[in-house]
Amino acid sequence: DGGITQSPKYLFRKEGQNVTLSCEQNLNHDAMYWYRQDPGQGLRLIYYSQIVNDFQKGDIAEGYSVSREKKESFPLTVTSAQKNPTAFYLCASSIGDRVTTEAFFGQGTRLTVV
Amino acid sequence: AQSVAQPEDQVNVAEGNPLTVKCTYSVSGNPYLFWYVQYPNRGLQFLLKYITGDNLVKGSYGFEAEFNKSQTSFHLKKPSALVSDSALYFCAVRDETGGFKTIFGAGTRLFVKA
Repeated sequence: DGGITQSPKYLFRKEGQNVTLSCEQNLNHDAMYWYRQDPGQGLRLIYYSQIVNDFQKGDIAEGYSVSREKKESFPLTVTSAQKNPTAFYLCASSIGDRVTTEAFFGQGTRLTVV
Repeated sequence: AQSVAQPEDQVNVAEGNPLTVKCTYSVSGNPYLFWYVQYPNRGLQFLLKYITGDNLVKGSYGFEAEFNKSQTSFHLKKPSALVSDSALYFCAVRDETGGFKTIFGAGTRLFVKA
């Protein structure tokens, strides 16, 4: 079955650590996205990639980094510079970047700082 | 600037009764509107979208939404609610001036009581 796989489902980070969240899709979608979800705030865009080896910052990119070396993969690194990383992280993809296309989401990774 | 408002944090409805989840939007260009649903600790699932044409859009699981250009609204509706419809619902908007960005509302929690 086609879809988006995020791993791990739960992740715990110590203060000062970098952690990487995995996102893999087999939908052959060009565009991929990372969102952060906090209670009562909806989804906020962290990074976006339209094609391999290219990505753009979203609204809250500070303290995060990404790579897009393969079409199927778009990992997100939460660095120690991110002061409040505890949140639910969602990866999504869409067919190209036409404004009429909907997004497909992974099941999310819940990151907690301990 | 693009924006989406979901004026109700929570909607309560009895099973079998009709439900409405409200959404209003603001964009510079033509709006492309989406509804997504999220179950606990899961990713978002696409329900339906309005691109152009008929103002009444039908989607998954018996949901429909009515686009009203004069009121800049896109309310989600269902004639008869089920307990299993209880979830978090997000309205989202895109337009050509916003490029790759999708703006999500803060979400409305629907609670259907048996």
